[in-house]
Amino acid sequence: IVMTQSPATLSVSPGKRVTLSCRASQNVNNNLAWYQQKPGLPPRLVIYGTSTRASGIPARFSGSGSGTDFTLTISSLQSEDFAVYYCQEYNDWPPRYTFGQGTKLEI
Amino acid sequence: VQLVQSGAEVKKPGESLRISCKVSGDSFTNSWITWVRQMPGKGLEWMARIDPTDSYINYSPSFQGHVSISTDKSLGTAYLQWSSLKASDTAIYYCARHVRVATTVYNAFDVWGQGTMVTVSS
Repeated sequence: IVMTQSPATLSVSPGKRVTLSCRASQNVNNNLAWYQQKPGLPPRLVIYGTSTRASGIPARFSGSGSGTDFTLTISSLQSEDFAVYYCQEYNDWPPRYTFGQGTKLEI
Repeated sequence: VQLVQSGAEVKKPGESLRISCKVSGDSFTNSWITWVRQMPGKGLEWMARIDPTDSYINYSPSFQGHVSISTDKSLGTAYLQWSSLKASDTAIYYCARHVRVATTVYNAFDVWGQGTMVTVSS
């Protein structure tokens, strides 16, 4: 399975609403997660199961989609949200759990 | 729950290496452990996962045969090892724990170690 994220870089102002896209080359059902990574830190799980927020993730983050097309929406960007975001499928068998190449969200 | 990884390593090509990931704050066998590679300036690559309960393992085809993973339940620790390193193994390696909700384990990763930087250079 190939995971394609778009765009590669997104420049947005704080307070704006932003949508990040992730497309799978084949159906991954709802087995899709999103991670946030800041420089020098490990990734942080944001969303799993397409739309379930991970523990401690603010409500401004939401995930949606099904099958092959998924989105991560941040309703009102805060300064701490600027980071690289990766999607990851976990439907493949045998497992490969492929990540997308990432979308860099910058100010 | 915390995952604490061993420190940075500098090795020569052909050398062997084992890095570790210690789980604290929860039962070691409560969830699967996964390993992820991040090459310098690049994205995330899933390598392998292990069930600490019975040591059942899955490897990504991209890493099968080049790395091995294991656990020591008595120490609450998972390991990633190489028998013969290559320069292309230079990367940060993360261990992470699979999400567990009640009795269901998901193949997304909610607790991460701090990463171990492995540098392989002659």
